[in-house]
Amino acid sequence: KQEVTQIPAALSVPEGENLVLNCSFTDSAIYNLQWFRQDPGKGLTSLLLIQSSQREQTSGRLNASLDKSSGRSTLYIAASQPGDSATYLCAVRDIYNQGGKLIFGQGTELSVKP
Amino acid sequence: EPEVTQTPSHQVTQMGQEVILRCVPISNHLYFYWYRQILGQKVEFLVSFYNNEISEKSEIFDDQFSVERPDGSNFTLKIRSTKLEDSAMYFCASTIGGTATGEQYFGPGTRLTVT
Repeated sequence: KQEVTQIPAALSVPEGENLVLNCSFTDSAIYNLQWFRQDPGKGLTSLLLIQSSQREQTSGRLNASLDKSSGRSTLYIAASQPGDSATYLCAVRDIYNQGGKLIFGQGTELSVKP
Repeated sequence: EPEVTQTPSHQVTQMGQEVILRCVPISNHLYFYWYRQILGQKVEFLVSFYNNEISEKSEIFDDQFSVERPDGSNFTLKIRSTKLEDSAMYFCASTIGGTATGEQYFGPGTRLTVT
């Protein structure tokens, strides 16, 4: 059974720092992995989608990498800003679920201090 | 930019009552989903829907739950007889295209409180 884990659970950094959020999954048989941002009490905003054949994806200050064989993904945020404060979730879609089911980690709560 | 919308944003209901949560997926999307997030817990998949039928469902999605696409724009989740443990944030999502491998776009959620 696929399990998705994110560490750390919470992270506090000063503004301007570069940071890395980690996501690991137990079964490497995945179609893709998606990173989301969730603000308190709000919905999920898709940040990046990495297909299983890709090694990384970039969007602005965000870069996500995928190492499928080792069951890991990282989300790199460059030059962090207070507006980046939110919970970041990763989710995988594995090959055993043909209906598109995403399996989520518990998230990393990021706080960027001015 | 097109987005998934959900109504209501917050619904309070008494235990045993029926509720219908409504979603309008992005207009050219073909795959639709419901997820839920109990406070402090992970986001959990409930069901996916394609071509007017359920594509996949989780063990949470029992006979108390049903989904429907009553017209060309709405996608609904019905809970027939709500329980206290149904209190959660319910998210609708959609994906473009006819496969379920694309990027999923989520709505803002409906907070369901069962008293």
